[in-house]
Amino acid sequence: GAVVSQHPSWVICKSGTSVKIECRSLDFQATTMFWYRQFPKQSLMLMATSNEGSKATYEQGVEKDKFLINHASLTLSTLTVTSAHPEDSSFYICSARPTSGRAKSYNEQFFGPGTRLTVL
Amino acid sequence: QKEVEQNSGPLSVPEGAIASLNCTYSDRGSQSFFWYRQYSGKSPELIMFIYSNGDKEDGRFTAQLNKASQYVSLLIRDSQPSDSATYLCAVNQRASKIIFGSGTRLSIRP
Repeated sequence: GAVVSQHPSWVICKSGTSVKIECRSLDFQATTMFWYRQFPKQSLMLMATSNEGSKATYEQGVEKDKFLINHASLTLSTLTVTSAHPEDSSFYICSARPTSGRAKSYNEQFFGPGTRLTVL
Repeated sequence: QKEVEQNSGPLSVPEGAIASLNCTYSDRGSQSFFWYRQYSGKSPELIMFIYSNGDKEDGRFTAQLNKASQYVSLLIRDSQPSDSATYLCAVNQRASKIIFGSGTRLSIRP
C-alpha cells in the first residue's frame, strides 16, 4: 500500500519547450504533496509544497513562474517546467503525505519513483 | 551551517560488520527524524523514523536520537552487500517540511 506514481519516468525535450510531470497517490488521499529536485551526487532539494485546492508554497530561490504546480485533487499534483533549459535537467521526485491513517509517523512521506528530465 | 549535515563518505564496511551513519541538525524545534536509503537512479525509501530520545530498533537497523546534542544516527548490524547505497538523513522542521541531508554513501565490501 501507499503507492505513489510519477509519469513520465523519463523525458527528453528541446530547450524552450514545457514539460508536465504528474504525481499520483494511487491508494490513498494526500492533502499535501512535495516536489523535490536532485542533481547527480547531490541530495534532494525541496522545491515546493503543494496543497490541494490552494497555491503551492515555493522554497527560496525556486521560480514559481517557471515551475508551475497544480494540485487539483487529493490524488494528483502536477509540476510543469516551463521554457525548459539544459540547466533544468535533473531528477524530479514527488512525495505525498497521507491525509490520515496510512502513515506510521505524522510526517511520513511516500515517494514516487522519480522523473528524469533531460533538456537538449 | 547546513540545516542537516552528514558525512558524504564513502564509508566502507566489511560484510557482517556494523555500519554507523551519523547526522546533525541545526533546528532545535525539529520533531521527527527519518533515515532513507537511496539506490543509484532510484527514489528514496524509508528505513526508520524516530521522534523520541533514545534508541529505536527494527530488525538489523537501530536509530538513535539525542535532541540535546541535535544528533541522530543509524546503525546497521550484520551489514550485507545489498545495504550498499546512499543513506539520507531527513529532519522534519516547522510547517511540516522535511529537509534532507546530502547523504552518506555506504559501501559494504564482501
